[in-house]
Amino acid sequence: ETGVTQTPRHLVMGMTNKKSLKCEQHLGHNAMYWYKQSAKKPLELMFVYNFKEQTENNSVPSRFSPECPNSSHLFLHLHTLQPEDSALYLCASSQDARTGGSYTFGSGTRLTVV
Amino acid sequence: AQSVSQHNHHVILSEAASLELGCNYSYGGTVNLFWYVQYPGQHLQLLLKYFSGDPLVKGIKGFEAEFIKSKFSFNLRKPSVQWSDTAEYFCAVRPSYNNNDMRFGAGTRLTVKP
Repeated sequence: ETGVTQTPRHLVMGMTNKKSLKCEQHLGHNAMYWYKQSAKKPLELMFVYNFKEQTENNSVPSRFSPECPNSSHLFLHLHTLQPEDSALYLCASSQDARTGGSYTFGSGTRLTVV
Repeated sequence: AQSVSQHNHHVILSEAASLELGCNYSYGGTVNLFWYVQYPGQHLQLLLKYFSGDPLVKGIKGFEAEFIKSKFSFNLRKPSVQWSDTAEYFCAVRPSYNNNDMRFGAGTRLTVKP
């Protein structure tokens, strides 16, 4: 366990489904991040939340909708996804996005869109 | 565009061989540098980091990395690899002027043959 827990570990969804990914951290961190990891490509930053406020949206399509109700929880709501959205979605946290520091990653959710 | 390049996609070594994985970045200005490791089936873990000071950084498990500012490089090294070092290694760079913008390389898969 890293202190960052992601659920579910695996998700298969149809293109018309709506699902949500959940990330939870008990490290007392104030910044949380969503990354997309596709095969043979660099990790892609999607969203950054710092003290519950979204501070970065890296031109992510609107079919991905993040939610951060508090500093410990981060969600990624998915709807009308495309097959090319199949990937490993990683959540990470750090003490404070403004001051830097290293990230702690969760184990990821393996998403398959059919 | 700002980017992080890891030149080797897959490296295969025998145990006790020396390792050097390349990482180059294209950011100007002051940067923070990281190497993360992902063992099979596990989450990304921090191996080592450089923020300032001595450009030769020692990490866990006998790894080290050297920041050469003039070459925009942060290569990872280990004098003698073990079978247990089989994993994927990711270089990451973050400009100190934008702590939200952590960029990762595509990763290098290391296979160590016993």
